[in-house]
Amino acid sequence: DGGITQSPKYLFRKEGQNVTLSCEQNLNHDAMYWYRQDPGQGLRLIYYSQIVNDFQKGDIAEGYSVSREKKESFPLTVTSAQKNPTAFYLCASSWDSHMNTEAFFGQGTRLTVV
Amino acid sequence: RKEVEQDPGPFNVPEGATVAFNCTYSNSASQSFFWYRQDCRKEPKLLMSVYSSGNEDGRFTAQLNRASQYISLLIRDSKLSDSATYLCVVNMPPGNTPLVFGKGTRLSVIA
Repeated sequence: DGGITQSPKYLFRKEGQNVTLSCEQNLNHDAMYWYRQDPGQGLRLIYYSQIVNDFQKGDIAEGYSVSREKKESFPLTVTSAQKNPTAFYLCASSWDSHMNTEAFFGQGTRLTVV
Repeated sequence: RKEVEQDPGPFNVPEGATVAFNCTYSNSASQSFFWYRQDCRKEPKLLMSVYSSGNEDGRFTAQLNRASQYISLLIRDSKLSDSATYLCVVNMPPGNTPLVFGKGTRLSVIA
């Protein structure tokens, strides 16, 4: 089945630790995105990538890093510099590198800092 | 003015009712419009695209009003299972930038 897979579903991290969230898609989509959602809030864009080996900062990139070494993979690292990392993280992809087509989401990773 | 604005609700309606949501967008050059549905603690899922001429999918009708820069979603004969948050999504030219998501309108259908 084609789709987007995020792992893990739940993640607990100690303060001061970096953690990497996985996002893999087998839809052959060019564009991939990372969003953060806080309780009762909308989606906020962290990073996006239109093509392999290229990515751009979104609205809230501070404290996060990404890589796009392969078309199907777009991992997100939450660094210790992110002051309030507890949130629901959503990865998405769309086939169009111009990003005018609908985006499809993974099931999300719920990160909790303990 | 915010790029994509929605009434957060909640809209509490009885089963069988008809309910409509509007969403306004700031960019007159926007060309791509979508409605997504998000259930509690789940990922957003595409409900329907919005076409210039308006489109219908079963009990759901989407309309675009370019002159006033808003899109609408009409749900007829509401079901309990329609309870969710409905997100309005719009592209923001010029250039290739990601779609912009509204914060969503919460709908509760009550028995």
